[in-house]
Amino acid sequence: GAGVSQSPSNKVTEKGKDVELRCDPISGHTALYWYRQSLGQGLEFLIYFQGNSAPDKSGLPSDRFSAERTGGSVSTLTIQRTQQEDSAVYLCASSLSSLDTQYFGPGTRLTVL
Amino acid sequence: GENVEQHPSTLSVQEGDSAVIKCTYSDSASNYFPWYKQELGKRPQLIIDIRSNVGEKKDQRIAVTLNKTAKHFSLHITETQPEDSAVYFCAASISGGSQGNLIFGKGTKLSVKP
Repeated sequence: GAGVSQSPSNKVTEKGKDVELRCDPISGHTALYWYRQSLGQGLEFLIYFQGNSAPDKSGLPSDRFSAERTGGSVSTLTIQRTQQEDSAVYLCASSLSSLDTQYFGPGTRLTVL
Repeated sequence: GENVEQHPSTLSVQEGDSAVIKCTYSDSASNYFPWYKQELGKRPQLIIDIRSNVGEKKDQRIAVTLNKTAKHFSLHITETQPEDSAVYFCAASISGGSQGNLIFGKGTKLSVKP
């Protein structure tokens, strides 16, 4: 079956612009996670959705970051007024539930000039 | 919160040798420990995982051991092959908790020389 997909695969933007990143989880997966991977670094947890709800947003690095999930499926991560330090690969993962294996998407490489 | 330390950051072995990567975690409530392999420019892929109710798990050339008392777990790859070259990440989480989000180590770049 289809895996987790993300779009766009690459995004180059200018400092100060807003960007939207999209994640399509595996069908039927109720849990969805966003992570950020900076160059040569590990993965940093950003936010988790169970269904359409995000019980804990404390992983988001600043109030410029927000995320939503609709219909228990697609999720969008929005970064407002982008800064150069936002440059990273943004990875989405989904799992059947919070008890189960997380499967990752291919990521969106964001470059802020 | 949980903190995961991973060592070494780089590891170079000859083809056919074994490779061992070690991780420690801080939160004794963590009960799920997956290992992901990430090839250059690709997504992380789960290679093996272990839950806290077992001490060891094997899958062909890959094994993971867990010491809950010491709060550390290790990945063992035997008979390494050039295609094992990648970055390996360990992670820990409280599976079934309010989130189940993974806390990752910083990764180990494994190079297998033919």
